[in-house]
Amino acid sequence: QKEVEQDPGPLSVPEGAIVSLNCTYSNSAFQYFMWYRQYSRKGPELLMYTYSSGNKEDGRFTAQVDKSSKYISLFIRDSQPSDSATYLCAMTPPGHDYKLSFGAGTTVTVRA
Amino acid sequence: NAGVTQTPKFQVLKTGQSMTLQCAQDMNHNSMYWYRQDPGMGLRLIYYSASEGTTDKGEVPNGYNVSRLNKREFSLRLESAAPSQTSVYFCASSPLERERSKAFFGQGTRLTVV
Repeated sequence: QKEVEQDPGPLSVPEGAIVSLNCTYSNSAFQYFMWYRQYSRKGPELLMYTYSSGNKEDGRFTAQVDKSSKYISLFIRDSQPSDSATYLCAMTPPGHDYKLSFGAGTTVTVRA
Repeated sequence: NAGVTQTPKFQVLKTGQSMTLQCAQDMNHNSMYWYRQDPGMGLRLIYYSASEGTTDKGEVPNGYNVSRLNKREFSLRLESAAPSQTSVYFCASSPLERERSKAFFGQGTRLTVV
């Protein structure tokens, strides 16, 4: 079983919809949680970075971490065609914050 | 600001050939990484370098070697390429400890081994 599980999708939504993405994990030691966005044939870019449990909002993006359930989510409000990409969750344990464990990624298409 | 630059962008190798993937960053980051990305597998760490002169194995190091040439450059070498090494390779770098999980990635090298 993988340490980080992520539904690969694909997910197709109309413009303006709320996109909901999530990952589950098995290692309770994970402490830093990230979401990366990867456009087709490009490298991943850091989108959201959170530490421990709670919510973090940045513009149209909200990241949630529920450590008790080992579950993280990313919400995209008022989705735009430019949000069409693959979204990767990643997480690291304390003391080894270079060891990113990635989910497989969810491909999202926002239809105009 | 170029960020993380990888060369080449595309490469086709025959089984048994060798090659070196080059990576350079201009953000004065201490840590550098090599990942491979395969469909359905996500990104997997091949090797990691915390600083100039140090390297450590990641999750999938077999068949690869690395060199941290200086603070800017981190190369990945395939000594005898195999079809199983067909993948997209990403170099990344990250700043100081406690922020090492904030990785910046290059554009990738698409490698096909036939």
